[in-house]
Parts: sequence; structure tokens; C-alpha cells
Amino acid sequence: AQKITQTQPGMFVQEKEAVTLDCTYDTSDQSYGLFWYKQPSSGEMIFLIYQGSYDEQNATEGRYSLNFQKARKSANLVISASQLGDSAMYFCAMREGTGNQFYFGTGTSLTVIP
Amino acid sequence: GAVVSQHPSRVICKSGTSVKIECRSLDFQATTMFWYRQFPKQSLMLMATSNEGSKATYEQGVEKDKFLINHASLTLSTLTVTSAHPEDSSFYICSARNGVGEKLFFGSGTQLSVL
Repeated sequence: AQKITQTQPGMFVQEKEAVTLDCTYDTSDQSYGLFWYKQPSSGEMIFLIYQGSYDEQNATEGRYSLNFQKARKSANLVISASQLGDSAMYFCAMREGTGNQFYFGTGTSLTVIP
Repeated sequence: GAVVSQHPSRVICKSGTSVKIECRSLDFQATTMFWYRQFPKQSLMLMATSNEGSKATYEQGVEKDKFLINHASLTLSTLTVTSAHPEDSSFYICSARNGVGEKLFFGSGTQLSVL
């Protein structure tokens, strides 16, 4: 089974609107971390937000928030007030326990329309 | 925040030559670094885990003699693509964890084109 599933290959959003990028995960570990990264066309991977499995509050970082639903094993990224510079690939990732390996989803390409 | 520097950003080489890619952690010590390969519009594929002072751990299907990894210091890991062929053309990106920190910091990637 896939560790991380991103079912939206491509998404479009109007500038200044909010958008939700879906991510579901699969693990039997009680302790894990969930991450979202942004990859613009330049190729670099930019860390956006982190959610620990024991965190009770949903993580927020500026315009980014993570809608963490543990029972459903989902960790959706919400981007509020979209900007043209938000157009990029977005990857959801998970690290199990204290292990080193990060599992990445297949990514969602977001296009912000002016 | 932690910075990982990767060089070169782009390299074009002839078939049969070897190419070395460097990955440096600039403001932290990284006992473990990771090397990924990414094809266009696809996800990152972990190639190997680079351990300082010891042999790298390669993922299944990755040729260790083809992709040589050296992690000689706590701030530097290198990936050498030996006898490169056109099918090795890809985007290679390294990453490192900042000690016990949760995040994975990435280099800016290297686009390798083998003619």
C-alpha cells in the first residue's frame, strides 16, 4: 500500500481564494510526522508546514494550515488567500517514528489564476 | 533556518563520463543525508541514505557501483554518477535533517543531462 496518497494531480484556484490540497497516509506507527513541501519550477523543495501525530492542534504557518484528521488518516493542506507565486508542485510527506526515511506522495500541481 | 547547498545546479556531459554532485549543510552538522532522483512531473524517489563515516545504504534497485556516495564529513556528501548514460539524465536532489529536528532540508537540486 502507498504510504502517502495525493489524489489530485492538478488543481486550479482563483487568486485570493483558498484551496485545499488532499493527502491521506497509511501507517501503523503511533508516532509519525506529516510534512508539506512546495516545489516551484526552479526545482528546490521548500518546507511549508509540519504536523506531529501527537499534536492536538492543527498546525498553521502564515497562510498555510494543515487540516489533520487522525481517525481518517488525512492531512490536507489549506492555502488561504492564494497568490500567483503559490503556483507550484506540492508534496505531502510522512516520517514514521524516529526513522530517517521520508515517504513522499506523487504531488499536486497547483495553478493560481489571476 | 538550516541551509543545504547543492552544486552544480545543472550539468551536461557526454555519455561515458562521470559526474560528481556535492551536497553541503552550511549551518548544521548532518550525520545523515539523503539522495533523491526525480523524473519530470513525478515524485521524489529515494536512492540512498548517506551516513557520515560509513557506507551508504542504497534502496532496492539502485546500483551502488553506478551511483557512488561518499559522506566524508559532517557537512558534505557527494554523489558520483559513474560512466553516465542518457538514461541517467534526471533531476537529483539531496537533503539532510538538522540533528533531532523534524524537518528535512533540501538542496536546490541538480539537473543532469547526458548526451
